[in-house]
Amino acid sequence: RKEVEQDPGPFNVPEGATVAFNCTYSNSASQSFFWYRQDCRKEPKLLMSVYSSGNEDGRFTAQLNRASQYISLLIRDSKLSDSATYLCAVNGMNSGGYQKVTFGTGTKLQVIP
Amino acid sequence: NAGVMQNPRHLVRRRGQEARLRCSPMKGHSHVYWYRQLPEEGLKFMVYLQKENIIDESGMPKERFSAEFPKEGPSILRIQQVVRGDSAAYFCASSPPGQTLAKNIQYFGAGTRLSVL
Repeated sequence: RKEVEQDPGPFNVPEGATVAFNCTYSNSASQSFFWYRQDCRKEPKLLMSVYSSGNEDGRFTAQLNRASQYISLLIRDSKLSDSATYLCAVNGMNSGGYQKVTFGTGTKLQVIP
Repeated sequence: NAGVMQNPRHLVRRRGQEARLRCSPMKGHSHVYWYRQLPEEGLKFMVYLQKENIIDESGMPKERFSAEFPKEGPSILRIQQVVRGDSAAYFCASSPPGQTLAKNIQYFGAGTRLSVL
């Protein structure tokens, strides 16, 4: 099983729709979780951190379910500019005792006019 | 406060040549991470360095690849005798010292796109 798994998509949704992505992780000791956004041929940029029970930032809501070991990202009222790949990232300790952030392969979102 | 700076942005090499990729972390950041991303694929962790130390190189291929982060100057990812399969985007990220496990946020540079002919 991969450490961090995401549905690659693509998710094709009309403008104004609500869309949700999930990301599952295998290490139950993982401590922190993040969503990054990556535009085509650009670097990943931090979208949101997910620390405990989740948080909201405008149209974006991130949730954490520790019991089922997944995080989710909900985007409401989708805009064309939301089209991108969304990467989840999970932070934990590796076998050497150091922090390590593991990225999922990303979920591609295409918002259609 | 400049972000993470990577250069060159694009690098073309012929098979067998060496590629040197440079990364200057954000001011005040002492942790550097290198990732490789193949077209249409996710980020693959390669190596984690602090000043003058390699902390975790579990993602580095055993041969031809090396990384350093000297006391002065940028971090360098070096690929010797490049092959076509090395063609990818190489991203560097940095984070400040002392971040707790709960807040280890990494900031990415714009990447170097390596093309091997």
